[in-house]
Amino acid sequence: EAQVTQNPRYLITVTGKKLTVTCSQNMNHEYMSWYRQDPGLGLRQIYYSMNVEVTDKGDVPEGYKVSRKEKRNFPLILESPSPNQTSLYFCASSQDRGSVSNQPQHFGDGTRLSIL
Amino acid sequence: AQSVAQPEDQVNVAEGNPLTVKCTYSVSGNPYLFWYVQYPNRGLQFLLKYITGDNLVKGSYGFEAEFNKSQTSFHLKKPSALVSDSALYFCAVRDEAAGNKLTFGGGTRVLVKP
Repeated sequence: EAQVTQNPRYLITVTGKKLTVTCSQNMNHEYMSWYRQDPGLGLRQIYYSMNVEVTDKGDVPEGYKVSRKEKRNFPLILESPSPNQTSLYFCASSQDRGSVSNQPQHFGDGTRLSIL
Repeated sequence: AQSVAQPEDQVNVAEGNPLTVKCTYSVSGNPYLFWYVQYPNRGLQFLLKYITGDNLVKGSYGFEAEFNKSQTSFHLKKPSALVSDSALYFCAVRDEAAGNKLTFGGGTRVLVKP
């Protein structure tokens, strides 16, 4: 089954304790992206990756890091989490058929982070 | 910069009645427009997209959307709503001139009452 898998689904942690949210897709997609969802703000893009070793900032990259060492994996790293990073996070991927712009994205089921 | 507006936080409709969820956008180049639906505790699911061509786009679950360039709108519609259509709906846009960044609206919650 084609899917995007995120782990963990839920995490409560404390300020300053480094954490990583993993994302894996089994569709051989080139494009992967991270979003955060906050009430009334929709989804805002944190980082995206066009392919292995190619990453770029989205609209709200501050406080986050990503890496793309393998095509299927795109982990989101919070080096020193703060309470304002409490949110619902989604990973997504899509095919790149010449242009990724017109391809729909496949989303994981989300990771709810609470930073105390 | 590209942007998307969904002016209604919530839409209430009776089962069997037509459903419309509004979306307007702003881009500098040609728009690629998408609608997604989110059910509780799940990620977003793709419904339909407009890239080019016919202004009326048909998608999953009986939904359709009409692209209106002069009004910069892309409203989502369903002729007869079902209780199971109750969910959170997001409009999104990519500006062809702005690369691969996808911008979402704030979302509209749809509640279909029996």
